[in-house]
Amino acid sequence: AQKITQTQPGMFVQEKEAVTLDCTYDTSDPSYGLFWYKQPSSGEMIFLIYQGSYDQQNATEGRYSLNFQKARKSANLVISASQLGDSAMYFCAMKDSNYQLIWGAGTKLIIKP
Amino acid sequence: NAGVTQTPKFQVLKTGQSMTLQCAQDMNHNSMYWYRQDPGMGLRLIYYSASEGTTDKGEVPNGYNVSRLNKREFSLRLESAAPSQTSVYFCASSEAGGALYNEQFFGPGTRLTVL
Repeated sequence: AQKITQTQPGMFVQEKEAVTLDCTYDTSDPSYGLFWYKQPSSGEMIFLIYQGSYDQQNATEGRYSLNFQKARKSANLVISASQLGDSAMYFCAMKDSNYQLIWGAGTKLIIKP
Repeated sequence: NAGVTQTPKFQVLKTGQSMTLQCAQDMNHNSMYWYRQDPGMGLRLIYYSASEGTTDKGEVPNGYNVSRLNKREFSLRLESAAPSQTSVYFCASSEAGGALYNEQFFGPGTRLTVL
């Protein structure tokens, strides 16, 4: 069965440091997509980055990059030069042949000034 | 361009009462979704509509019904609310659910409490 695991319930990071949020997934489909979303304290869900299983390169979007290790079934989100505004919940999600998003439980990131 | 809108933002119900959560999108998306978010858990899919005129059950459909009124609107109905349905409800839409790369765009959520 499809599953997403985020093993870090919470993280504290010093401002301006890089941070890596872990995500592992489980699927038997060869074709799938991986998503990261940010949920600030205001509650909305904000799409950050996408990685397809057949993409040759790791996805990047500004300060966000996805460290995709297919053999390990991991899709970690890397935020470079963290800012106070990065404090939020971060969710990893996967879509496979069912075309439905399966979500992890999330990681609460707190950036310290 | 409002994106995905949801009404109401907050609602308190008594056990057994009914209500409908409304959702509309102005992005001309084909697919729409209803999720619930409970503390310490990721989002769970209640129902989705891959295209106008179709609806399908997700992971947790019991106690809910949906209507895809037209391409823009997708409502979620609780016929007889139970305390276990206390949650934050999100509506989302995407260009075409049957494509891996299409991200979903979310509404602001409805915080529902059932007493």
